[in-house]
Amino acid sequence: GQNIDQPTEMTATEGAIVQINCTYQTSGFNGLFWYQQHAGEAPTFLSYNVLDGLEEKGRFSSFLSRSKGYSYLLLKELQMKDSASYLCAVSGSGGYNKLIFGAGTRLAVHP
Amino acid sequence: GAGVSQSPSNKVTEKGKDVELRCDPISGHTALYWYRQRLGQGLEFLIYFQGNSAPDKSGLPSDRFSAERTGESVSTLTIQRTQQEDSAVYLCASSLAAAAYEQYFGPGTRLTVT
Repeated sequence: GQNIDQPTEMTATEGAIVQINCTYQTSGFNGLFWYQQHAGEAPTFLSYNVLDGLEEKGRFSSFLSRSKGYSYLLLKELQMKDSASYLCAVSGSGGYNKLIFGAGTRLAVHP
Repeated sequence: GAGVSQSPSNKVTEKGKDVELRCDPISGHTALYWYRQRLGQGLEFLIYFQGNSAPDKSGLPSDRFSAERTGESVSTLTIQRTQQEDSAVYLCASSLAAAAYEQYFGPGTRLTVT
């Protein structure tokens, strides 16, 4: 079957660093995506990894290990506005057009 | 408009009624997607359009669900004989092309079936 696992909830302190893990088992692999979703709003694209390694984009970085079926999203210098759900999604054998999403990790940033 | 728009933003309907949800993608985006998000759960793929055709309908949960797209623009998702388990947020997304990996999401339609 196809499965994407990520923690349900995490908390962190403003200014700190937090790592959100995602493990996946899918038939085929065409890339892994991270989306941010504030409560009641649409998801917004954060990152895309298709090769192993770390992709850095400002305060956010995403890592992928295809052999381990593992990714993480690293958020640095946390701000209150980073409180949101972070969705891990995999593009499997269906291609980009059929993303399989995890349930999301709800991150709460405290002062 | 600048982004993906959806209407209505909220819809409350009685069990057994039909509902129609609308999505206006970003102008020029040829690929369009529908997802369903139940409370506290991840997004569930429903259907994808490339132009006006739907190469992949495998995510539609039952034959009560159908979708169409016209003019390579607006899409409608129709749910017939709604059931309480259909209650969810229905999200639409579009991308520049089928090979473009970044999907831009609309704000969603919150459907409540009573």
